[in-house]
Amino acid sequence: DMKVTQMPRYLIKRMGENVLLECGQDMSHETMYWYRQDPGLGLQLIYISYDVDSNSEGDIPKGYRVSRKKREHFSLILDSAKTNQTSVYFCASSLAQNANSDYTFGSGTRLLVI
Amino acid sequence: KTQVEQSPQSLVVRQGENCVLQCNYSVTPDNHLRWFKQDTGKGLVSLTVLVDQKDKTSNGRYSATLDKDAKHSTLHITATLLDDTATYICVVGDRGSALGRLHFGAGTQLIVIP
Repeated sequence: DMKVTQMPRYLIKRMGENVLLECGQDMSHETMYWYRQDPGLGLQLIYISYDVDSNSEGDIPKGYRVSRKKREHFSLILDSAKTNQTSVYFCASSLAQNANSDYTFGSGTRLLVI
Repeated sequence: KTQVEQSPQSLVVRQGENCVLQCNYSVTPDNHLRWFKQDTGKGLVSLTVLVDQKDKTSNGRYSATLDKDAKHSTLHITATLLDDTATYICVVGDRGSALGRLHFGAGTQLIVIP
C-alpha cells in the first residue's frame, strides 16, 4: 500500500526547544513537500524538495529548515520553536507536480508549542 | 491575499441528500484544479482532477466541473452518506511542472446527519 508516513503524530514542545518532524514515502517520488495547516486558512507551503539535497523555499520558510539525504525521507526542523509555530504539519509527495500526477499526503503531525 | 475561495464555509445535509460545493479562484495561470477530501485528523485524499478549459469529471457519487473562463469549479456529491462528513478542499495548480505551486482553499466543512 503506497503511503506517506509522518512521525510523530502528536508533539508538545516548549518555546525555544528544537523540533524534528520526520516524513517517509515508499513510492520513490522525486518531489516532496512540507505544508502547515491552520484553522480558516488553506495549506501553506513551507519547503519543497525536488530530490536529494535539492530543496527550495516555499511561501513561509522563515523559522524552518529541511533535510533530504535520501529520496524516501524528508525532515522538517524547527530550531528554537515559537508559539506561532503551533500548527498541523503535513508532508506530501508526488512523482512530478502536474495534473496527471497524484499527490499523496501523510496524516499530519500536530505540534503544540507552549 | 486569498486566491482560492470556497463556499459555503460549512454545510449540514441529511443522509441521502445531494449537495454542491463551490470554488472560485483568481490564480493565474490555472493549469489544473483538484478536489481533496480531508477526514477529521487525517491527511488529504484526492477525489478528482480537472484540466481542460471546460472540464467535467465523475468518480462514483462525486462529480466535478471546471470553467476556466469563469475561474470556477463545483463539486457535486450525490446521495450523501455519513462517511462523506469531512472537509473538502479545492486546490489550483498554476503550472503543470515541478516549478509550479499549488494554491489551497480553506475548505468546506460538510456534515452529514442521519
